[in-house]
Amino acid sequence: DLQMTQSPSTLSASVGDRVTITCRASQSLSSWLAWYQQKPGKAPKLLIYKASSLQSGVPSRFSGSASGTEFTLTISSLQPDDFATYYCQQYHSFGQGTKLEIK
Amino acid sequence: QITLKESGPTLVKPTETLTLTCTFSGFSLSTNGEGVGWIRQPPGKALEWLALTYWIGDKRYSPSLRSRLTITKDTSKNQVVLTMTNMDPVDTATYYCAHTQVNGYSGYDFDYWGQGTLVTVSS
Repeated sequence: DLQMTQSPSTLSASVGDRVTITCRASQSLSSWLAWYQQKPGKAPKLLIYKASSLQSGVPSRFSGSASGTEFTLTISSLQPDDFATYYCQQYHSFGQGTKLEIK
Repeated sequence: QITLKESGPTLVKPTETLTLTCTFSGFSLSTNGEGVGWIRQPPGKALEWLALTYWIGDKRYSPSLRSRLTITKDTSKNQVVLTMTNMDPVDTATYYCAHTQVNGYSGYDFDYWGQGTLVTVSS
């Protein structure tokens, strides 16, 4: 069964920082990986699809990349609105989430 | 624009069957490439993918919950229904329905989500 391992589980950073979140797939299936942002009490929001394609309306400070079974989400310069929980997804499997906190 | 909304009971008893309805607008499940799925999230925990149905009638289920889930669509009503049997307190979660499409996306990525509905399982 496909498993997505996401790291770190918690990340403390400051406004303006560059941060990276990693997701590793247990199997090499494809480059179809999505990243979501979720804020408390809200539904997730699609940020990135197909590993590196930016969803319409998402700021360009968000980017995604892939290398084999390892996928990364990078936020180039953190903004106050970016503090949230981030999830990766490949097919029927979500990662465990990364909570991005203010340092 | 695309909108989705979940409806159903907020409280179910253990061993009962849960039936949730997703009512959507802004697209049709008779249109090539369209799909609707269900995802849940226990309080304070991660997202869990449950099931998907596509315009063509094809269905996908979570391997770990397959035996308990059924997803159906009613194209004329713009609705997708999820049933989950033998409910347990560990199934307490917010249940979301969401839109996906296979044209340009994987067919599993969800670009529009409902607001979610909290279902509590308790006697």
